Amino acid sequence: QKEVEQNSGPLSVPEGAIASLNCTYSDRGSQSFFWYRQYSGKSPELIMFIYSNGDKEDGRFTAQLNKASQYVSLLIRDSQPSDSATYLCAVNQEYKLSFGAGTTVTVRA
Amino acid sequence: DAGVIQSPRHEVTEMGQEVTLRCKPISGHDYLFWYRQTMMRGLELLIYFNNNVPIDDSGMPEDRFSAKMPNASFSTLKIQPSEPRDSAVYFCASSFVLTSTDTQYFGPGTRLTVL
Repeated sequence: QKEVEQNSGPLSVPEGAIASLNCTYSDRGSQSFFWYRQYSGKSPELIMFIYSNGDKEDGRFTAQLNKASQYVSLLIRDSQPSDSATYLCAVNQEYKLSFGAGTTVTVRA
Repeated sequence: DAGVIQSPRHEVTEMGQEVTLRCKPISGHDYLFWYRQTMMRGLELLIYFNNNVPIDDSGMPEDRFSAKMPNASFSTLKIQPSEPRDSAVYFCASSFVLTSTDTQYFGPGTRLTVL
């Protein structure tokens, strides 16, 4: 079992819709969770992180964490074509980041 | 700030040759990380440094790989001899501290192709 698993893509959503990305992790001791966005041919860039159960909102992005279920998600509201990218879930384990394989999102204009 | 700087951006070499990748972290960041990204294995941590000292190299795949950080503003990742399966994008990242919520900033990456 991989340490960090993401829902397989690609995920195609129409412009203005909500994109929902899921991530599960195996280490119950994980303390914090990160979402990175990676455009094709570019480096990962941090969108947001979360470390408490519940929701955390930042603009059009909402991260949700449920430690009991070992589950973290990212919602992208009002999706725009510029949101088309691969989204990487990362889990902090002993201060090192373990990354999921990523989910590719395509927003259709 | 210029961000994390990596060179070269692209490297094409033949099997058996030595390859050296370079990284300059963000000024003031005490931690430096080397990652490798492939389609098959995703983004993997190879090694990280704290104040120029290697802390964890458990991700380094083989003895052919070595990394150094001679000073706070420069690190190298060397592959000798290189093999076709080393073809990947190699990212360097740096962070100010190493807490559970500290952000790692990634460089633009070096795309390595070993023929």
